[in-house]
Amino acid sequence: DIQMTQSPSSVSASVGDRVTITCRASQDIGTWLAWYQQKPGKVPKLLIYAASTLQGGVPSRFSGSASGTDFTLTISSLQAEDFATYYCQQGKNIPQTFGQGTKLEIK
Amino acid sequence: QVQLQQSGPGLVKPSQTLSLTCAISGDSVSSNSATWNWVRQSPSRGLEWLGRTYYRAKWLEDYTASAIGRIIIQPDTSKNQFSLQLSSVTPEDTAVYYCVRGWNWFDSWGQGTLVTVSS
Repeated sequence: DIQMTQSPSSVSASVGDRVTITCRASQDIGTWLAWYQQKPGKVPKLLIYAASTLQGGVPSRFSGSASGTDFTLTISSLQAEDFATYYCQQGKNIPQTFGQGTKLEIK
Repeated sequence: QVQLQQSGPGLVKPSQTLSLTCAISGDSVSSNSATWNWVRQSPSRGLEWLGRTYYRAKWLEDYTASAIGRIIIQPDTSKNQFSLQLSSVTPEDTAVYYCVRGWNWFDSWGQGTLVTVSS
């Protein structure tokens, strides 16, 4: 199985900050990567797919990029509603696997 | 707008079979451009993809290796829904179970069902 490793596991930030979350794949997955946001008690929400394509309705302050087996999710200017847990997921191989999550907390 | 509505019991006894159903509206279980998945989430295992069913001239299924032998995901075209059966459950199968539409990623999720395995 392809392992997805996210870092950091948690991060504290303030409204207006720029935040970057990283996800590393254990092998080449091209750009078959998605990012999800999950708030407590809620369902995961697809933010970005194909490493850098924004899902419809997702604010443009979210962006994604890829470099080899490293992927980043960037939030350019944090808003209060962005505090949540973020997951990456590879879609290249079965089983499709998720990172362990990065919890974004208010500083 | 795709909507997935899950149903099924929230409590299952050890060694019994967990059964959940996902009713689809706004799309078809027979679609040639989607797969119909089950994903579960627990504090100990995180988000875990269990398997999928999909139609590409015939019905196909894929399962995570650790569940093969005790998992069945199957479509019901007459009701436009799909189901999950997981047999011989143990407390380690306690999780929130989601039905999900996707292909390489997952764009529509059911509301989730907390399934507790306990006697």
